[in-house]
Amino acid sequence: KQEVTQIPAALSVPEGENLVLNCSFTDSAIYNLQWFRQDPGKGLTSLLLIQSSQREQTSGRLNASLDKSSGRSTLYIAASQPGDSATYLCAVRHSGGSNYKLTFGKGTLLTVNP
Amino acid sequence: SQTIHQWPATLVQPVGSPLSLECTVEGTSNPNLYWYRQAAGRGLQLLFYSVGIGQISSEVPQNLSASRPQDRQFILSSKKLLLSDSGFYLCAWSPPPGTYNSPLHFGNGTRLTVT
Repeated sequence: KQEVTQIPAALSVPEGENLVLNCSFTDSAIYNLQWFRQDPGKGLTSLLLIQSSQREQTSGRLNASLDKSSGRSTLYIAASQPGDSATYLCAVRHSGGSNYKLTFGKGTLLTVNP
Repeated sequence: SQTIHQWPATLVQPVGSPLSLECTVEGTSNPNLYWYRQAAGRGLQLLFYSVGIGQISSEVPQNLSASRPQDRQFILSSKKLLLSDSGFYLCAWSPPPGTYNSPLHFGNGTRLTVT
């Protein structure tokens, strides 16, 4: 059974700091991995998606990496801003016959202080 | 571009009343459709998914049902709500797996409170 863990559960940093959020998964047989952002009371917004054959993806100040063999992904946020405050979730899409299914981590609550 | 609409945004219903939440997707065809529930401290739980009209799969036994009467319409229902049905319900869509990337996109969610 695939399990996804996100560490830390919560993180508070001063504005301008670079930071890394971690995601680990137990089964390396994945189709892709996706990072989301969720603001309070809202749905999830897709940030980055990494295919299983890729090592990293970048969008603006965000960079996500994937090491499938070790079951790890990181989301790097450069020069953090108060507007980055949100919960960040990672999810892996299963491969093979269960490729409709995604397993989510419980998220990291990020607070960027001005 | 593709968009997903989910309504209502909030709903307060008494125990024993029926439920109907609707989700529609625009700008794509033959999407995979999903209903998730998000509970505090428990993360996102997949309730139902659908790969086509009339094709519904349930992930967990529960008081809820889902239907897909049209290609881009997904409905979550209950005949009689329980207190335990309270939560944040999220509809999502993705291109079928095998389509390059197949990212998952979410609606804005429905906050359901059963009283």
